[in-house]
Amino acid sequence: AQTVTQSQPEMSVQEAETVTLSCTYDTSESDYYLFWYKQPPSRQMILVIRQEAYKQQNATENRFSVNFQKAAKSFSLKISDSQLGDAAMYFCACQDSNYQLIWGAGTKLIIKP
Amino acid sequence: GAGVSQSPSNKVTEKGKDVELRCDPISGHTALYWYRQRLGQGLEFLIYFQGNSAPDKSGLPSDRFSAERTGESVSTLTIQRTQQEDSAVYLCASTEVIGEAFFGQGTRLTVV
Repeated sequence: AQTVTQSQPEMSVQEAETVTLSCTYDTSESDYYLFWYKQPPSRQMILVIRQEAYKQQNATENRFSVNFQKAAKSFSLKISDSQLGDAAMYFCACQDSNYQLIWGAGTKLIIKP
Repeated sequence: GAGVSQSPSNKVTEKGKDVELRCDPISGHTALYWYRQRLGQGLEFLIYFQGNSAPDKSGLPSDRFSAERTGESVSTLTIQRTQQEDSAVYLCASTEVIGEAFFGQGTRLTVV
């Protein structure tokens, strides 16, 4: 069965520093999509970044980048130059040819001013 | 519409009453999900609709919960005989067949 694991319930980082959130997944498929979503206190879920498994290059969106290790089934999110507005719950998700999204339990990110 | 719309945004109901939550997905999105999220917790999968396929109801916690969707349009989640443990935020998301999920703002349900 497809599973997504986020082993860090909570992480904290000093403002302007870099933080990495971990995510591992399990799928038997060779082609799939991976996502990181952010949920601030407003509770609106927002897509942060996506990665297609067939692409070897790691996705990057401004201060957000991923370290995609396909063989290890690892998909970590790096946030550079952390800002107060980055404080939120972060969820990792995987979608394969079954199409259904499978979610991790989330990591609460705290930004210390 | 421009995004996924959920109504009501907040609902307070008495224990034992039935409630109906509504989700208007993005036009053209074939897939629709319902999730339950308790305070500070992750997404608890409830039900998944994909086009005209039979829905995946494996996440519904009890037979008090049901959901319907006609084609690729509006979906309703019904909770019968509400209990206090049903209090949570109920989130709806829609996607094309595969790809980014777009979420509504959720319905905060409080059972008193």
